[in-house]
This record gives sequence, structure tokens and C-alpha cells, in this order.
Amino acid sequence: GAGVSQSPSNKVTEKGKDVELRCDPISGHTALYWYRQSLGQGLEFLIYFQGNSAPDKSGLPSDRFSAERTGGSVSTLTIQRTQQEDSAVYLCASSTQGGARQPQHFGDGTRLSIL
Amino acid sequence: DAKTTQPTSMDCAEGRAANLPCNHSTISGNEYVYWYRQIHSQGPQYIIHGLKNNETNEMASLIITEDRKSSTLILPHATLRDTAVYYCIVSYGGGSQGNLIFGKGTKLSVKP
Repeated sequence: GAGVSQSPSNKVTEKGKDVELRCDPISGHTALYWYRQSLGQGLEFLIYFQGNSAPDKSGLPSDRFSAERTGGSVSTLTIQRTQQEDSAVYLCASSTQGGARQPQHFGDGTRLSIL
Repeated sequence: DAKTTQPTSMDCAEGRAANLPCNHSTISGNEYVYWYRQIHSQGPQYIIHGLKNNETNEMASLIITEDRKSSTLILPHATLRDTAVYYCIVSYGGGSQGNLIFGKGTKLSVKP
């Protein structure tokens, strides 16, 4: 079946611009996570959505970062006034429900480059 | 910070078993052990997870010590396509506590 889909796969933009990254989770998965992976680093948790509950935004690095999830499915991560340190691969994962018992399935990410 | 310790790199001959160790001495009673791998330019791929019993699926086996302070991922017949970075993660359930904390992992190189 279809896995987690992310778009665009690559994004190059100038410093100061806003960017939107999209994630289509696996159908029926109620939990959705955003992570980012900087060059040579491990994954860094950003935000978590579970059903209709308020998202856990505790991993967002600054108020320039925001995310929403419409209709409990597609999610968009928005970065405003991008900075060079925002350059990274942004990964989305979904699972059948929140919590460690259910494995997370990842997309292949959006590689973001800020010039 | 990641709660696991893994060797930085390992080599394995094609067709042989790859045994990847992981130490997680501070694991809590309700935390699971997860293994993921990441092949270059792809997202992490789930392999297997367990609580205290050994587990096996079509990809691998997971051996967890009785005290749960360490585990070993076994790829029974490694192929060149198994070359990847392997991450051992401990995580326990409940909402955002399910987020995965990835460390540096073990870079496994399968050689012909």
C-alpha cells in the first residue's frame, strides 16, 4: 500500500523567505510526527499530532516554525523567515496511534536548502 | 539525549549474520526497544521492536537480555542492500512520549 508521502522532495530558497512542507500520512494513521535531520546528525523531534487533540509543539525550535494538520490527515510544516541554520532534511512519520507500541513509518523527507 | 549506546561502525561479509549490539542500561520498565535503519537519502525504516521477549519478523531478530540493559539486532543473512545506519531507540508510550530520540547509530557496511 501507499506509504508516507512528502513534498517537495527538494526545496531551495533564499534566506528570509517562507516555506511550506507537506506530509500525506498513511491512510488511517491517526498519529503524525515531524522531525528534522541536519547533516550528519540524528533526528530531532519537532511536533506531534494525535487525532483531534491539541498538538505537542514542544520540539519546535522557534516561533518561526508552525504546523497544522487539516481533517486529521494531511499536515503542513511552515517555516517563516527562513535562516541558513534551517537547512536540513525534514521528515514526517505516521503511526496507527500515538505511543511507542506502534511503529512509526517515515516518508523520504524534504531536503531544504537555504541560500 | 539518546538513551542508547551503539558502536559507530561495523563490517559484515555478505551472506553472513550481522549482529548489532546496543546498550540501554537506564531503560525503564515500560519502555520498548526499537530498531530502525536509514539507507542513504531515504527516511528511516522500521525493523522490529520488543519489550522483554525476543522477537523475530521477516527482516530480523531482536534479542533482549533478561535484565533488559542491552539488546542485539540480528540480520540472519546480510546482503549488500542491508548497508545502512542502524538505530537502536528506547521509547515508551503515551502521546508525545512516543516520539523517537535517534542517536548516531551504527553504520553497517556489508561487503562482498
